[in-house]
Amino acid sequence: GAVVSQHPSWVICKSGTSVKIECRSLDFQATTMFWYRQFPKQSLMLMATSNEGSKATYEQGVEKDKFLINHASLTLSTLTVTSAHPEDSSFYICSASMLQETQYFGPGTRLLVL
Amino acid sequence: QKEVEQDPGPLSVPEGAIVSLNCTYSNSAFQYFMWYRQYSRKGPELLMYTYSSGNKEDGRFTAQVDKSSKYISLFIRDSQPSDSATYLCAMMWKTSYDKVIFGPGTSLSVIP
Repeated sequence: GAVVSQHPSWVICKSGTSVKIECRSLDFQATTMFWYRQFPKQSLMLMATSNEGSKATYEQGVEKDKFLINHASLTLSTLTVTSAHPEDSSFYICSASMLQETQYFGPGTRLLVL
Repeated sequence: QKEVEQDPGPLSVPEGAIVSLNCTYSNSAFQYFMWYRQYSRKGPELLMYTYSSGNKEDGRFTAQVDKSSKYISLFIRDSQPSDSATYLCAMMWKTSYDKVIFGPGTSLSVIP
């Protein structure tokens, strides 16, 4: 099946710093990538959708200046959490899809902001 | 009313039992239905992917979709301790570009 990787798998940072998370589709070209966050014992919440070469589309309530998404190629998307604060601590998961196919999820990145 | 509803559990069954997981939804426009399995601290893993009404079987897993009742089910036969995870139902209007709407997930424990 299609494989999606994320890096890093976990990160601890100080409040006020920025953190970049990478999402890669390893064996297919992803026309669309999605970013989710998940709090403990809750379901996934879609943050944004990005198509290669285009600006990301953010869901209502998600600050686009805080969560910067770049989808520079068909195999790589990055999420940068700028000026992170403890309330940004969460599990961030990306997914990728190719034309006419369902989404394949990465393993997730656990972010802890101290 | 939430778009997708799912009993959060937790559901605890003995090894070898048949497990039935269910979701209901409110939007009749949904066409594609998925079941994902998520182990603790891991990303969701696609288990089943079906289009419209009917049944689909894959090994010990059977997915059922009843669009007239807006109800989908996942059956797990001969459940194993390794099936212990959270199961998320999900659905979307059309493939690829449309966002996926997830249920809240059902936590399953299979006791040896």
